[in-house]
Amino acid sequence: QKEVEQNSGPLSVPEGAIASLNCTYSDRGSQSFFWYRQYSGKSPELIMSIYSNGDKEDGRFTAQLNKASQYVSLLIRDSQPSDSATYLCAVNNGRTGNQFYFGTGTSLTVIP
Amino acid sequence: SAVISQKPSRDICQRGTSLTIQCQVDSQVTMMFWYRQQPGQSLTLIATANQGSEATYESGFVIDKFPISRPNLTFSTLTVSNMSPEDSSIYLCSEGPPGRYRTFGSGTRLTVV
Repeated sequence: QKEVEQNSGPLSVPEGAIASLNCTYSDRGSQSFFWYRQYSGKSPELIMSIYSNGDKEDGRFTAQLNKASQYVSLLIRDSQPSDSATYLCAVNNGRTGNQFYFGTGTSLTVIP
Repeated sequence: SAVISQKPSRDICQRGTSLTIQCQVDSQVTMMFWYRQQPGQSLTLIATANQGSEATYESGFVIDKFPISRPNLTFSTLTVSNMSPEDSSIYLCSEGPPGRYRTFGSGTRLTVV
């Protein structure tokens, strides 16, 4: 079992719709959870971090965390073509704290 | 978060040679991290570099193949030694507070022929 699992997609949504990206993780001790956006040929860029159960909103982005279910998601409202990218879920190692596990990413395409 | 300048951005190298990748951070950081991202794959941590001590390598990565230097709190290098086509990948340096976010350099796209 991989430490972080994501649906690789591709996920296609029309412009203006809500894109929902999901991630599950295996380390019950993980305390820090992140979503990164990676455009083709570019390095990952942090867009959201979440550390406690519930929702965290930042502009058009909402991260949701459920530690009991070991599940973290990212919602992108009013999706724009510029949101087309690969989204990586990252989770910290619950034992060492400092090591991160990254998922393989979900490819999102927003269709104008 | 810090800004990381990484170079070279890309290179094509002959097998059996070595390439050194440099990362310069615009502020002093305690820990720097080196990752590899193979085509279609996620990021794999190669090693953690602390200033003044030897790097800590993850399982599957060894110092002879990926020597790392960390001469001060703003700079680190990763060398990919005795390269083979299997080393073709994107290499990324990173920094961030313990257990918190990671900020990445712009990446080095390495092709070994």
